[in-house]
Amino acid sequence: AQKITQTQPGMFVQEKEAVTLDCTYDTSDPSYGLFWYKQPSSGEMIFLIYQGSYDQQNATEGRYSLNFQKARKSANLVISASQLGDSAMYFCAMRAPYSGGGADGLTFGKGTHLIIQP
Amino acid sequence: EAQVTQNPRYLITVTGKKLTVTCSQNMNHEYMSWYRQDPGLGLRQIYYSMNVEVTDKGDVPEGYKVSRKEKRNFPLILESPSPNQTSLYFCASSSGTGGGEQFFGPGTRLTVL
Repeated sequence: AQKITQTQPGMFVQEKEAVTLDCTYDTSDPSYGLFWYKQPSSGEMIFLIYQGSYDQQNATEGRYSLNFQKARKSANLVISASQLGDSAMYFCAMRAPYSGGGADGLTFGKGTHLIIQP
Repeated sequence: EAQVTQNPRYLITVTGKKLTVTCSQNMNHEYMSWYRQDPGLGLRQIYYSMNVEVTDKGDVPEGYKVSRKEKRNFPLILESPSPNQTSLYFCASSSGTGGGEQFFGPGTRLTVL
């Protein structure tokens, strides 16, 4: 069975500082994808970034980057120069099509509640 | 605009009263899923569908039904809701092509009294 672990239930960070949100995963599937989603207080799920298991480079999207360490089964999200609007829940998720997860479905971690302080 | 829509967005009902939450996507995606989100548990998959007339159980299917008669629609049916089904529900769709993003609907907040 596949599993996603987010060990930080909550984080407080000063505005403009960089933030690292931890995510470790467990799967025996050689082909998988890792995702990060942001959920603000309004409730919608906002896609941030994706990393494929065979991608050679770490994914980047604007201020977001994914620190992918395959041997350690780690997929941490890094937010550079944090802003007040970054305050939200952040979920790490994995798709491993051949290990269950419901045919293209995602297995989610429990999330990290990030609060950016001015 | 590419989107997944859900209705209703908010619903308060009573135990045992059948209800349906609709989900529709306009991206011609083959894969659609339903998730529920509960505090401290993240999102968990209820049911999924790989194409029209092809559905299967996810991790927490008890008490739910789904159907996929058209590619764009994937309704979630609670035939006899119970208070433990009070939750935030998300519908999602994807093309299923490797790194394809899962697009989420806006969510339906359900309270069963």
